[in-house]
Amino acid sequence: GAVVSQHPSRVICKSGTSVKIECRSLDFQATTMFWYRQFPKQSLMLMATSNEGSKATYEQGVEKDKFLINHASLTLSTLTVTSAHPEDSSFYICSADTTGGFYDIQYFGAGTRLSVL
Amino acid sequence: GQQLNQSPQSMFIQEGEDVSMNCTSSSIFNTWLWYKQEPGEGPVLLIALYKAGELTSNGRLTAQFGITRKDSFLNISASIPSDVGIYFCAGQLSSNTGKLIFGQGTTLQVKP
Repeated sequence: GAVVSQHPSRVICKSGTSVKIECRSLDFQATTMFWYRQFPKQSLMLMATSNEGSKATYEQGVEKDKFLINHASLTLSTLTVTSAHPEDSSFYICSADTTGGFYDIQYFGAGTRLSVL
Repeated sequence: GQQLNQSPQSMFIQEGEDVSMNCTSSSIFNTWLWYKQEPGEGPVLLIALYKAGELTSNGRLTAQFGITRKDSFLNISASIPSDVGIYFCAGQLSSNTGKLIFGQGTTLQVKP
């Protein structure tokens, strides 16, 4: 099956530092990846759509300068939380879209727990 | 914006019981997906549905794509303790941007 690897699984950082999260599709190519944020006991909230070779598309209310997305290859997208603050603490999850044929399916990474002190 | 209404919000059942949850929307979807999420993990795909009326099984799980394309249900038969988790429905709109709309989730607890 399709495997998506997300790294790191957990990160603790000081306020003001930047944190990079990687999302890799291990056994398939993904022209599109997605980044979500999830608060405790809530559903997934889409932050942005990451497109290989082009700029990411951000959802309304998500600061693109705060959450930098780079999709440099068909198997790797990165999310950088710049100048992180405690309110950025959350569970961040990526997904990769399989685009083989007519039907698209999103497979998810295991998530990254970000704690900003 | 588009919303998916998922119910029930939570369920606490006895091991061996059957479980049913559903999602409804005012929008028409091309695809319905059901995911399970365990604490500290990302969602794992359970079943994908592509055609109106389609009924698909995966072990003890059965899901159906509603004939109106605006709803879907997931059934779990003979529940076991490892079924514990949060179940999410997700739909993909016909506009095919690839984006998924998620339901609010159903938290399932199973008493041994």
